[in-house]
Amino acid sequence: TQLLEQSPQFLSIQEGENLTVYCNSSSVFSSLQWYRQEPGEGPVLLVTVVTGGEVKKLKRLTFQFGDARKDSSLHITAAQPGDTGLYLCAGSRGTSYGKLTFGQGTILTVHP
Amino acid sequence: DAGVIQSPRHEVTEMGQEVTLRCKPISGHNSLFWYRQTMMRGLELLIYFNNNVPIDDSGMPEDRFSAKMPNASFSTLKIQPSEPRDSAVYFCASSFTTSGLRIQYFGAGTRLSVL
Repeated sequence: TQLLEQSPQFLSIQEGENLTVYCNSSSVFSSLQWYRQEPGEGPVLLVTVVTGGEVKKLKRLTFQFGDARKDSSLHITAAQPGDTGLYLCAGSRGTSYGKLTFGQGTILTVHP
Repeated sequence: DAGVIQSPRHEVTEMGQEVTLRCKPISGHNSLFWYRQTMMRGLELLIYFNNNVPIDDSGMPEDRFSAKMPNASFSTLKIQPSEPRDSAVYFCASSFTTSGLRIQYFGAGTRLSVL
């Protein structure tokens, strides 16, 4: 059973297009993180959201945490080939040890 | 800091052989996590340690898998005997707390192929 469902699984777009990746769960998380992973490397943290309804911006990336803290979205404006990679959402239940539950990931390919 | 260091980066072995994966966490981090990543199952948490003590090993698939953390700067994940279905990329991550949040830093992974 996947506690965090990401959609879509695959996304292939042209440079300059906008896109949104979704991360949904039936469970409440105390915080949610988004990671980006490139081939041959480990995931790298992009952002952490902790408050219901929170919106964070990182250049062309906008992250939102749902009001009920069960879902999140990642929106990329004017995608570039450098955005290509695997995007993973990961939720924390607030344990002191920081255990994360990861979604399956979204493979994004941006064509020049 | 060099980040989380994993070795080897690639491992090819035959079914039945013992495999040992190694991880050096970032200095000062007190939590360490072992993950396995496959296309079918995504990124799965196998086991994690806090202050060198195993906290939760419920993700370890079978008794063939074992992990140790003898000190704060070293951990191993061992598979004995290995099977073809163990083929995957294994990641180690370490973490610390900032502003009440845990941030995990991942190594580059070990790509394991069991023939």
